[in-house]
Amino acid sequence: EAGVTQFPSHSVIEKGQTVTLRCDPISGHDNLYWYRRVMGKEIKFLLHFVKESKQDESGMPNNRFLAERTGGTYSTLKVQPAELEDSGVYFCASSQRTGTGGSEQYFGPGTRLTVT
Amino acid sequence: GQNIDQPTEMTATEGAIVQINCTYQTSGFNGLFWYQQHAGEAPTFLSYNVLDGLEEKGRFSSFLSRSKGYSYLLLKELQMKDSASYLCAEAVRGATNKLIFGTGTLLAVQP
Repeated sequence: EAGVTQFPSHSVIEKGQTVTLRCDPISGHDNLYWYRRVMGKEIKFLLHFVKESKQDESGMPNNRFLAERTGGTYSTLKVQPAELEDSGVYFCASSQRTGTGGSEQYFGPGTRLTVT
Repeated sequence: GQNIDQPTEMTATEGAIVQINCTYQTSGFNGLFWYQQHAGEAPTFLSYNVLDGLEEKGRFSSFLSRSKGYSYLLLKELQMKDSASYLCAEAVRGATNKLIFGTGTLLAVQP
């Protein structure tokens, strides 16, 4: 069974440009999460999809970030326009269920974004 | 909010035992996860505790005390490949079940 995949693995863009990150969750996982780790800090939650619906986007830094999950399969995270502080590693994770007891979240390898 | 505290770095010897501690805030607690992450790779699941006590899985064990807001990961018979970052993460109760991470403990296993 394929794990969570992310594309690209690395992206270097200039300040003001646009970048779109993609995540393909494990097949059958309704829950999809985006997290981010900036240099020297902990991994932080950005948002959560259940199928195609945004369940919680409380971690999104600002309106320069737009996440979509059309059709409830893969998801994209677009940063427009990118700023220097957006540099970091963006992780995607998926899981089967939420609620009491939770469910293991399977992480992708991340996309390393560098904004120059 | 939730604060997850764990040591930044630890060093241990091959074949030895090491314990990595983690403390968390207890409001909205819905479980405690440990992940292993090698540099440049995805965090991989090690353990999940939601009830008090010790969960053993091969060379790795994880302990939870909900009343103390405390967990530890115990690694036995250390191998060189165990050198990695170990992430403590608290699941927050709710429809999202999002994870709140600590900064991770970088473990270096020496010969």
